[in-house]
Amino acid sequence: AQSVAQPEDQVNVAEGNPLTVKCTYSVSGNPYLFWYVQYPNRGLQFLLKYITGDNLVKGSYGFEAEFNKSQTSFHLKKPSALVSDSALYFCAVRAFLHNDYKLSFGAGTTVTVRA
Amino acid sequence: DAGVIQSPRHEVTEMGQEVTLRCKPISGHDYLFWYRQTMMRGLELLIYFNNNVPIDDSGMPEDRFSAKMPNASFSTLKIQPSEPRDSAVYFCASSPRGTHNYGYTFGSGTRLTVV
Repeated sequence: AQSVAQPEDQVNVAEGNPLTVKCTYSVSGNPYLFWYVQYPNRGLQFLLKYITGDNLVKGSYGFEAEFNKSQTSFHLKKPSALVSDSALYFCAVRAFLHNDYKLSFGAGTTVTVRA
Repeated sequence: DAGVIQSPRHEVTEMGQEVTLRCKPISGHDYLFWYRQTMMRGLELLIYFNNNVPIDDSGMPEDRFSAKMPNASFSTLKIQPSEPRDSAVYFCASSPRGTHNYGYTFGSGTRLTVV
């Protein structure tokens, strides 16, 4: 079984401050990890992914995420948050299993960036 | 590419009525997924298809729900009879096969309200 935990329901930061959204995962074998963002009344949009290679992954809109295998974490970060980053963020995982493309999502973290 | 297209965007129906949600995946994507999003339960995978064949329907809530994929460019999710607790946003997503891309592309969702 695979699962994702996002321990914070909400994260509030001031514009210009660093933003971190936490994610831990559980999966058998090597993980494929993803972050998605959802704006109000919209579908989920892909931000970034970790498949293999460098533990620091860079994605869209200035976001990056750090894969830490020993801590089974994949925290999303942005050095300087913008008001427009306010949205719902989902972490997702799937196992590296042949022909199994099922993604498991966390419960989501609502990010609010205040001006 | 127009992305994953879902219809309708909004559906309001009375309890007991049949509801059909539609999805057109991205051309060339082998995998199609149906998710349901609610405040209480977050994102739940209902069913997914590979090359039009249902692979995992363990998330389908009960016999009132059924999904089909008659061809590579069309899928339906049907609820009969509908109940108020089925009110949610239903997302369709598709994904290509291959080693270079393991993420999904989501549609904009169908917001279902059963009164």
